[in-house]
Amino acid sequence: SQQGEEDPQALSIQEGENATMNCSYKTSINNLQWYRQNSGRGLVHLILIRSNEREKHSGRLRVTLDTSKKSSSLLITASRAADTASYFCATDATGGYNKLIFGAGTRLAVHP
Amino acid sequence: GAVVSQHPSWVICKSGTSVKIECRSLDFQATTMFWYRQFPKQSLMLMATSNEGSKATYEQGVEKDKFLINHASLTLSTLTVTSAHPEDSSFYICSAPATVEQFFGPGTRLTVL
Repeated sequence: SQQGEEDPQALSIQEGENATMNCSYKTSINNLQWYRQNSGRGLVHLILIRSNEREKHSGRLRVTLDTSKKSSSLLITASRAADTASYFCATDATGGYNKLIFGAGTRLAVHP
Repeated sequence: GAVVSQHPSWVICKSGTSVKIECRSLDFQATTMFWYRQFPKQSLMLMATSNEGSKATYEQGVEKDKFLINHASLTLSTLTVTSAHPEDSSFYICSAPATVEQFFGPGTRLTVL
């Protein structure tokens, strides 16, 4: 089962621009994680934000979490062509065994 | 970080045959592992939770007799797709948690002819 929606489904931008992806979920969570997946490859963990955190930064990544709205956003600043990939949010629900439920994903294309 | 491997990375088989996919945690022990399936241009769908020493827990809609899971040791879980059909062609990914972080295998692409 999928936890929720991500928008946009696809995003096309130029190098240097910022990319913002949003994720919504349905249940209470312990934490929310963002992953990147290059075409046909495995997942790369980007960042984890706990339910009691509101914002987190890692390099060019900025993640926000609004538990009242059950939503999160991922901002990639100063995008590069190498950022082209699919991005997924995944939620770790309370009471689970680190079981992650993934959102639908956003396909990001960064053009040189 | 911790490493999870999968074998094989890709497999092609004939319809009706069974295929086994291995998932190993290389430098940590995992009492629990997870199996996901991903169709082209779609998200990861959780199939089941693999539990060391006990039966796997399957998500709703996943046929446990078709997707056999065995968690034989603290570092190995296997997924066997039995009597595979073309609609089972997909990308299968496993993961194992280490503290709060999940580590994912590189995936296995299964093509059933």
